[in-house]
Amino acid sequence: AQTVTQSQPEMSVQEAETVTLSCTYDTSESDYYLFWYKQPPSRQMILVIRQEAYKQQNATENRFSVNFQKAAKSFSLKISDSQLGDAAMYFCAYIPTGTASKLTFGTGTRLQVTL
Amino acid sequence: GAVVSQHPSWVICKSGTSVKIECRSLDFQATTMFWYRQFPKQSLMLMATSNEGSKATYEQGVEKDKFLINHASLTLSTLTVTSAHPEDSSFYICSASTSGVPPDTQYFGPGTRLTVL
Repeated sequence: AQTVTQSQPEMSVQEAETVTLSCTYDTSESDYYLFWYKQPPSRQMILVIRQEAYKQQNATENRFSVNFQKAAKSFSLKISDSQLGDAAMYFCAYIPTGTASKLTFGTGTRLQVTL
Repeated sequence: GAVVSQHPSWVICKSGTSVKIECRSLDFQATTMFWYRQFPKQSLMLMATSNEGSKATYEQGVEKDKFLINHASLTLSTLTVTSAHPEDSSFYICSASTSGVPPDTQYFGPGTRLTVL
């Protein structure tokens, strides 16, 4: 069974600083996608970034970037120049390719941004 | 693009009544829609997967007769909680995905908070 582990229940970062959220996963599949979703207090799940396993290049989306280590099954999220609006729950998620695939979520990391 | 709406955003009902929650993809055709349940301070738990025109596939432990799912069109799925009880109180979230590009990316609705008295 696929599992996604987020070992940091809570993280804190000062405004304008950089923070890295960790995520590891376990799978026997070779082709899959990884995601980071953000859930602010409004509870709307927002897609932050998406990585395709067959691509070696790390995905980047403005201030958000990932460090994808396929052999180590690691998928960390780096947030640069942190802003107050980045405060939220962050969920790492995995899905194998193919129809009828289901997202597997990690337990989440709550990010606090301080002044 | 890729906007998913849910209605209502919150609902309070009496024990024993049924509640219907709608999930719509506003600007794309959703071949597959998913229903999740989220307890406070926890991750999302998948309840069921539905494809347009087909019966929903329920996860283990989810009562299909209690949580009725209908996916009548490529833009609308509904979740009906039948004979609701206080333990059904939760935050319900739907998501939608398309077979187009990019594949396998789910876009989430804003969620519905259900409170059963």
